[in-house]
Amino acid sequence: DTEVTQTPKHLVMGMTNKKSLKCEQHMGHRAMYWYKQKAKKPPELMFVYSYEKLSINESVPSRFSPECPNSSLLNLHLHALQPEDSALYLCASSQGDRVVNGYTFGSGTRLTVV
Amino acid sequence: EDQVTQSPEALRLQEGESSSLNCSYTVSGLRGLFWYRQDPGKGPEFLFTLYSAGEEKEKERLKATLTKKESFLHITAPKPEDSATYLCAALKAAGNKLTFGGGTRVLVKP
Repeated sequence: DTEVTQTPKHLVMGMTNKKSLKCEQHMGHRAMYWYKQKAKKPPELMFVYSYEKLSINESVPSRFSPECPNSSLLNLHLHALQPEDSALYLCASSQGDRVVNGYTFGSGTRLTVV
Repeated sequence: EDQVTQSPEALRLQEGESSSLNCSYTVSGLRGLFWYRQDPGKGPEFLFTLYSAGEEKEKERLKATLTKKESFLHITAPKPEDSATYLCAALKAAGNKLTFGGGTRVLVKP
């Protein structure tokens, strides 16, 4: 299995809703990432988990809450989002510090906040 | 501050018309330079990793090269299916953070 699987593919949520994005990989990768990508812009790093511990938080607002329950799973909990948070949310993984083959990205969750 | 800059922002090519995309970087302690292809609404797809100046990698119609200040992605005799956004990204020696350039949107017309 050489894939990163993200669910759901599309999500529409109101500003008072609570939802979660899920990401799963079975490649034995020990680093996992959340990126946010707006239209026609490059991906922007949000969080990095290394060996299931949060190692980088790029000053992301607290309405985004990451969680890494185990080495294969990564969640992003969403609460009280704003319309400007609408974007493609990408999960990625890599072999810990050995980023020989770059990151493997999932296909993303297209989030719309209404 | 670490920066990765890609040019041009957009490129329109006729099928078979070869061209090059540029990625210039100012990153202290570069550990690797990555090229990705991204189709609309999809996640980036890994193409190449380059580690040291002078290194070259090839895959089908694509060839990536690296100098101390920039990387080039050469597209030889492109086909319409090569239409995509091409992203380069730099990885510093410390940490696992990739810094992406703004991307080059390539459109290949038949």
